Amino acid sequence: GAVVSQHPSWVICKSGTSVKIECRSLDFQATTMFWYRQFPKQSLMLMATSNEGSKATYEQGVEKDKFLINHASLTLSTLTVTSAHPEDSSFYICSARAQRPGQGGSTEAFFGQGTRLTVV
Amino acid sequence: KQEVTQIPAALSVPEGENLVLNCSFTDSAIYNLQWFRQDPGKGLTSLLLIQSSQREQTSGRLNASLDKSSGRSTLYIAASQPGDSATYLCAPHFNKFYFGSGTKLNVKP
Repeated sequence: GAVVSQHPSWVICKSGTSVKIECRSLDFQATTMFWYRQFPKQSLMLMATSNEGSKATYEQGVEKDKFLINHASLTLSTLTVTSAHPEDSSFYICSARAQRPGQGGSTEAFFGQGTRLTVV
Repeated sequence: KQEVTQIPAALSVPEGENLVLNCSFTDSAIYNLQWFRQDPGKGLTSLLLIQSSQREQTSGRLNASLDKSSGRSTLYIAASQPGDSATYLCAPHFNKFYFGSGTKLNVKP
């Protein structure tokens, strides 16, 4: 299957600082990328959907000013956690999809290996 | 927003048993549905992708069925092994992917 690379795999930062997480599709162009967070022993919660070249669409309850998403190219999306606090500590996972439904081609989603963020 | 429910939440079985994991979703207008496994502290591994036009999909000991009209999918695991121990997640694709809470499977040697 296609490969999605997420970096870093783990990061520890001080409270109040910002952290950037990168998500790259290595062997395909991703028109859409999804960002999820996962708290311990819970399932993945969709945070936002980003389409290349346009603003991200955030799920209800997700602060767009705190979780900045940029999808500047067809192979790269970034999530920046701004002014991080301990409650932002979580496992963040990105996903990439080559085509939107109805455009032809595969709509399968491929996932990165996740980034464990710890804010101290 | 899709509501995705997975039953059972947890399952502990001896090695060799055939298993059934259930997934239901509220909006049947899906494009496809994926099943994943997640090992503790790790990312997701895609197991099966079943298109909305398909009734089932098979990969090795895994078989996924889909009843789109009733909003249900089932993952069958044949002859379970300890290495199958993980959390299994279903994700119906409704332009976005929403996840169920997962079934945590423990296969005992």
